[in-house]
Amino acid sequence: DIQMTQSPSSLSASAGDRVTITCRASQGISNFLAWYQQKPGKVPKLLIYAASTLQSGVPSRFSGSGSGTDFTLTISRLQPEDVATYYCQNYNSALSMTFGQGTRLEIK
Amino acid sequence: EVQLLESGGGLVQPGGSLRLSCAASEFTFKNYAMSWVRQAPGKGLEWVSGIINSGGTTYYADSVKGRLTISRDNSKNTLYLLMNSLRAEDTAVYYCAKLIGGDCPDAFDIWGQGTMVTVSS
Repeated sequence: DIQMTQSPSSLSASAGDRVTITCRASQGISNFLAWYQQKPGKVPKLLIYAASTLQSGVPSRFSGSGSGTDFTLTISRLQPEDVATYYCQNYNSALSMTFGQGTRLEIK
Repeated sequence: EVQLLESGGGLVQPGGSLRLSCAASEFTFKNYAMSWVRQAPGKGLEWVSGIINSGGTTYYADSVKGRLTISRDNSKNTLYLLMNSLRAEDTAVYYCAKLIGGDCPDAFDIWGQGTMVTVSS
């Protein structure tokens, strides 16, 4: 199975900051990478797929990049409503659509 | 509004069985692959199983293979998960999720509200 490792596991930043979360795959997955946002007590929401394609309705302050084994999710200007846990997901293989362990984002 | 509504969760004893359902509305269900994803209390997301749009091919995580069975009825716009030989470690909220395309794998663009399964004596 492909393992997905996110870093950091948690972070705290101020409103207006630029925030970057990284996700590393244990082997190359081309661009078959998605990012999800899960607010406390809520259902996960798709933010980005194909590593860099913004899902419809998602604010443009969210962006994704990367290919192969290394990927990043960037929030250009952090807003209070962005407090959530963020997950990356590999969908390179139908037998192993694994998620990263999550990154908890808080506002200072 | 595109919607997925799960049902069938509850408390079950170890070794017991349960069948989850997921009713889809406001999209052409038969055109899209579907999956089940679970989240244990206070933990992260775990992909469990997937099924292509026709229902002809299914996929399972190693942790549930042989115990859980995914299926769908496109005439009823409903996805199912039959859960047998349940263990304490199967305790989780189970989400059904719609894939972007008709085949597996793909990203999950629509999620249901989830149904809680508790395995305990």
